[in-house]
Amino acid sequence: AQSVAQPEDQVNVAEGNPLTVKCTYSVSGNPYLFWYVQYPNRGLQFLLKYITGDNLVKGSYGFEAEFNKSQTSFHLKKPSALVSDSALYFCAVRDIHTGGFKTIFGAGTRLFVKA
Amino acid sequence: DAGVTQSPTHLIKTRGQQVTLRCSPKSGHDTVSWYQQALGQGPQFIFQYYEEEERQRGNFPDRFSGHQFPNYSSELNVNALLLGDSALYLCASSPTGGGTEAFFGQGTRLTVV
Repeated sequence: AQSVAQPEDQVNVAEGNPLTVKCTYSVSGNPYLFWYVQYPNRGLQFLLKYITGDNLVKGSYGFEAEFNKSQTSFHLKKPSALVSDSALYFCAVRDIHTGGFKTIFGAGTRLFVKA
Repeated sequence: DAGVTQSPTHLIKTRGQQVTLRCSPKSGHDTVSWYQQALGQGPQFIFQYYEEEERQRGNFPDRFSGHQFPNYSSELNVNALLLGDSALYLCASSPTGGGTEAFFGQGTRLTVV
């Protein structure tokens, strides 16, 4: 069965410092992996995805993520955090083996960036 | 492009009642998925519609049903509402293809009292 784990409920970082939001996944086949961000009272906004190819993917607002197949991880990173990055971040996975239709989300990690 | 639009934005219902939520997908998208997001949790996959058929379903009871119309818009119906059905219901649309990202609406906040 598919599953996603975001081990940190909350991540705190100072503005200008690098940030990492962790994600590990479990699927029976090869994964499609996604990161979304949610601001208060809003729906989810797509940040980036890994489908195939280069393990380092770049997305919106300066975010990037690295796919690590051996560690089944897909951590979200940004070299220099902004206060405006404070939000709720979700990692998600689809299992290609089952058609890639069902998306499973992690519980979310709240990012606080302090000025 | 209006993106994904959902209606209503907020709704209050009584236990045992039935509710219908509506979703219009982003222009050019033919696939619609519904999610339930309880407070403090990640979205939970309810089901996905494509070509007016339910293509895949998550672990939700039969009280949750849906429909997709020829114009790709969709409805989520929940019967015999329980207090535990209180949540943010999100609609997401995407073009055909397992590797495509989904675009989400702002959601419908359902409160069951």
